[in-house]
Amino acid sequence: DAKTTQPNSMESNEEEPVHLPCNHSTISGTDYIHWYRQLPSQGPEYVIHGLTSNVNNRMASLAIAEDRKSSTLILHRATLRDAAVYYCILRDTGGGADGLTFGKGTHLIIQP
Amino acid sequence: DARVTQTPRHKVTEMGQEVTMRCQPILGHNTVFWYRQTMMQGLELLAYFRNRAPLDDSGMPKDRFSAEMPDATLATLKIQPSEPRDSAVYFCASALGQGAYSGTDTQYFGPGTRLTVL
Repeated sequence: DAKTTQPNSMESNEEEPVHLPCNHSTISGTDYIHWYRQLPSQGPEYVIHGLTSNVNNRMASLAIAEDRKSSTLILHRATLRDAAVYYCILRDTGGGADGLTFGKGTHLIIQP
Repeated sequence: DARVTQTPRHKVTEMGQEVTMRCQPILGHNTVFWYRQTMMQGLELLAYFRNRAPLDDSGMPKDRFSAEMPDATLATLKIQPSEPRDSAVYFCASALGQGAYSGTDTQYFGPGTRLTVL
């Protein structure tokens, strides 16, 4: 899987929007962009994924740059429960390995 | 609410002992993964199965680790003999794999087994 780059940590206030960036300049045309998060003392959980168009679900929105070299996970109104490590992961649809390759992720801190 | 379950949740053992960790994937999922998480290495893929057949175990130390799926509802990860460096949280995940189109399937993780080897 292609490499991603994320800030080590970010801080935000409760009930404010959070924009978590991810750079993936070597992304290939068949790579999907996935986001997972890991709450303290829990296993990772799926957040959202996309290929080219922006995506929305009940948890978050994913904004993908036109050249696909970067993306942003948007939490519209952060709560204390959103404090977690967020991982941006590229997954190849072209028959690549099925396992997830986790980087160090972004540690999101939410201030009350 | 379907979930991946793992047992035990915590295990403390002494060096040299055998350790067995169990995972029950979500009913109907055909792909099972084993990951390990340490402070130093982060989350790493150890092995995975599709339709109970091992597809990749290249992340696993072959001499002491073994992974099996005796049936579709049970996956096991064994360490024999265990060593202090095996201390980590071991996660199982399951997915409904779509073969070559694996870029879109979602993995569901269990709560993990925290292993401490003294």
